[in-house]
Amino acid sequence: QVHLVESGGGVVQPGRSVRLSCAASGFTFSSYGMHWVRQAPGKGLEWVALISSDGRNQEYGDSVKGRFTISRDNSRNTLFLQLNSLRPEDTAVYYCAKVGLTGSYMFYFDYWGQGTLVTVSS
Amino acid sequence: DIVMTQSPDSLAVSLGERATINCKSSQSVLYSPNNKNYLAWYQQKPGQPPKLLIYWASTRESGVPDRFSGSGSGTDFTLTISSLQAEDVAVYLCHQYYSTPITFGQGTRLDFK
Repeated sequence: QVHLVESGGGVVQPGRSVRLSCAASGFTFSSYGMHWVRQAPGKGLEWVALISSDGRNQEYGDSVKGRFTISRDNSRNTLFLQLNSLRPEDTAVYYCAKVGLTGSYMFYFDYWGQGTLVTVSS
Repeated sequence: DIVMTQSPDSLAVSLGERATINCKSSQSVLYSPNNKNYLAWYQQKPGQPPKLLIYWASTRESGVPDRFSGSGSGTDFTLTISSLQAEDVAVYLCHQYYSTPITFGQGTRLDFK
């Protein structure tokens, strides 16, 4: 059974950094592209970043480009998101999501984690 | 960027009645080489992550009740719940995975009438 478990969220001051992790199990992690998607309180979903199965390709949403970095460790079945220069508008639940097929990272998301809340506040 | 616009923003339907939610993309999400629409639908309940219902615009995810169906092609898509059940009260979102930035509709809140 597929499980995605995010961790690393909390209250962070503006301008500071935090690293989120997503521990994956129940599937061959190294075969699937992965994404981060966030949801501000009471708002809709915003795509944050993607990474290919081998980690060579990454893409980012405009609002986080240059500040956030997605990475993965296939030996540890773990996805990461480094969040730097945080702003109050980055406050959100951050979800990791697995794509539904191998061979590309541009697919629907068949599994999501429960999310981890990052609150950016002084 | 492909903008996804859902209608209506909210919808109230009686138990057992049909619910229809629309999603329009600002550009076609039909990929001609494989004739697939890169469009998915999700259900999200409070405090939970989204749950995949439909992908490739009309393929029902395993385990999803057959009262849920998706249709449409190109830029216009519809999610239909044929007979609303109590557990279907939720927010429904469309999602295009045709190109980056990946984008979602703003969501449609479905409630009982």
